[in-house]
Amino acid sequence: VQLVESGGGLVEPGGSLRLSCAASGFTFSNAWMNWVRQAPGKGLEWVGRIKSKGDGGTTDYAAPVKARFTISRDDSKNTFYLQMNSLKTEDTAVYYCTTLLHWGQGTLVTVSS
Amino acid sequence: SYELTQPPSVSVSPGQTARITCSGDALPKKYAYWHQQKSGQAPVLVIYEDSKRPSGIPERFSGSTSGTMATLTISGAQMEDEADYYCHSTDSSDKVLLGGGTKLTVL
Repeated sequence: VQLVESGGGLVEPGGSLRLSCAASGFTFSNAWMNWVRQAPGKGLEWVGRIKSKGDGGTTDYAAPVKARFTISRDDSKNTFYLQMNSLKTEDTAVYYCTTLLHWGQGTLVTVSS
Repeated sequence: SYELTQPPSVSVSPGQTARITCSGDALPKKYAYWHQQKSGQAPVLVIYEDSKRPSGIPERFSGSTSGTMATLTISGAQMEDEADYYCHSTDSSDKVLLGGGTKLTVL
């Protein structure tokens, strides 16, 4: 199993960024996929999840990101995404994609002016 | 709302048994999972579905649950086990619950 995040970087407050997670080594279309983040020196924080299309394909989000972040998936590409809008300095963190059985290595998002 | 509570830190000497607890009202109905995160690294699953160990995880790692508490036990802790440990479960609508993490010190 391999999960590879990309798309992190430096963005100004109020800006947008899209993270991608490319998956391999398992049946991606059947998997519920999650984003979990970790602010510098802090613990893990669940960001949100998308269910498999077979289970409805619905999304759920943690309260701090609801209405600003959107998770989507493209099963034809074995990839899922995190669209982050209206970014705040407190969104600065390493973002991990995870099935919660396996984890990616993370991508750093820094929100700063 | 459901939460998972862990002690901030646990400290043991090498060879001793370390026990890390995770308490929450969701646990009698939902599985507990445990993740190990060493400094500067991504988390790694060490226990799933309360007590199952993924391949490659040493036998000294075990998990158990009783009522509203899940426990990760490391029997004969080693220096290499020093890490942050996080429990996770889900609530009734399958939203993920994450504990605040426990820093295990082995010295």
